Amino acid sequence: DAEITQSPRHKITETGRQVTLACHQTWNHNNMFWYRQDLGHGLRLIHYSYGVQDTNKGEVSDGYSVSRSNTEDLPLTLESAASSQTSVYFCASSESTGQETQYFGPGTRLLVL
Amino acid sequence: RKEVEQDPGPFNVPEGATVAFNCTYSNSASQSFFWYRQDCRKEPKLLMSVYSSGNEDGRFTAQLNRASQYISLLIRDSKLSDSATYLCVVNFGGGTSYGKLTFGQGTILTVHP
Repeated sequence: DAEITQSPRHKITETGRQVTLACHQTWNHNNMFWYRQDLGHGLRLIHYSYGVQDTNKGEVSDGYSVSRSNTEDLPLTLESAASSQTSVYFCASSESTGQETQYFGPGTRLLVL
Repeated sequence: RKEVEQDPGPFNVPEGATVAFNCTYSNSASQSFFWYRQDCRKEPKLLMSVYSSGNEDGRFTAQLNRASQYISLLIRDSKLSDSATYLCVVNFGGGTSYGKLTFGQGTILTVHP
């Protein structure tokens, strides 16, 4: 069955370190998204991609970057982790019509000390 | 004003009760609407899409009022397993919003015996 996976599921790191969170989907979806979820803020969009070599900034992109070298993967990199980036991170994907629902991965819980 | 607003609750109801959640959205050009369900420490999952004519899926009924920019979800005969956070989700349409979803903060439902 097609699916979307994230790794690691839990991560503890120190401030200033570079961290990369992986997202892999086998739906063959062109659209992929990264969100963070914090109490009081709901889900907020960090970066998104409409296809290979395409990346775009979301509403909370500062301190994060993504790259899209193939259809299946959209890794999220925290360039220099900060305590404010402690959060739960969700990856999602959707088809190309623009109005389709999104399917979410299981999430990565990141703690920055 | 938030783009998608929900009453955060929490709603505490007994098994068998009927409960309704409301949601308002700010963009009149919004094109598609969804209710997602999120269990504690899990990823959001699509509960149902919301269509202009209203739609039903078993015990769940969704309504859309475009004139008032209002979406609702009705749950009949509540079960313990319905306890979760319910997210109102809107796709604002094309242009810079293409493919992107905007999430409400969620309404917490607890169903007790």
